[in-house]
Amino acid sequence: DQQVKQNSPSLSVQEGRISILNCDYTNSMFDYFLWYKKYPAEGPTFLISISSIKDKNEDGRFTVFLNKSAKHLSLHIVPSQPGDSAVYFCAASGRDDKIIFGKGTRLHILP
Amino acid sequence: DSGVTQTPKHLITATGQRVTLRCSPRSGDLSVYWYQQSLDQGLQFLIQYYNGEERAKGNILERFSAQQFPDLHSELNLSSLELGDSALYFCASSPFLAGEETQYFGPGTRLLVL
Repeated sequence: DQQVKQNSPSLSVQEGRISILNCDYTNSMFDYFLWYKKYPAEGPTFLISISSIKDKNEDGRFTVFLNKSAKHLSLHIVPSQPGDSAVYFCAASGRDDKIIFGKGTRLHILP
Repeated sequence: DSGVTQTPKHLITATGQRVTLRCSPRSGDLSVYWYQQSLDQGLQFLIQYYNGEERAKGNILERFSAQQFPDLHSELNLSSLELGDSALYFCASSPFLAGEETQYFGPGTRLLVL
């Protein structure tokens, strides 16, 4: 039973355009959501997070939107740059301290 | 560089064997987490230790065990290895408990079971 789902295994976006990565979750008890970015041969690195009491959090080119009623969050990257090509993991946590990750979406930024 | 170190970087072994993966957290971090990433799965949470005590358990097999030592480094022991255990094993650390805290990941140990 996958509690955090990233339904798009890959996504290609033109450089300079907006990249939108989506994530759905099933557990309404999750109260914190995070996005991690992973380059090949490296561990994931933290990108941005959002608490369930907010619906938007922005950090430079990265914005995360949370729609609690739809149990959906999305990561917007604008403008997309070549260095954004990576695998992006959505993650969620609740009061039990476990962090549940999605399977990841591979983002390709096209020149 | 996240400050989390993992050794070895690569490990090749045979089915039925036992291996130990080692993780040193960032200086001052009390929590250590272990994750498994296999080809068809995302990052699967295995287990968390906080200041030497087991704190949370995920999808960790009974053949696997972990511990966190007084100096806060952690070891993940995998025994009776099977082909399906071939994966990337990541360790992460955070200052206190998870949830709202960012975790800092090590570079991973790539395990290949032949």
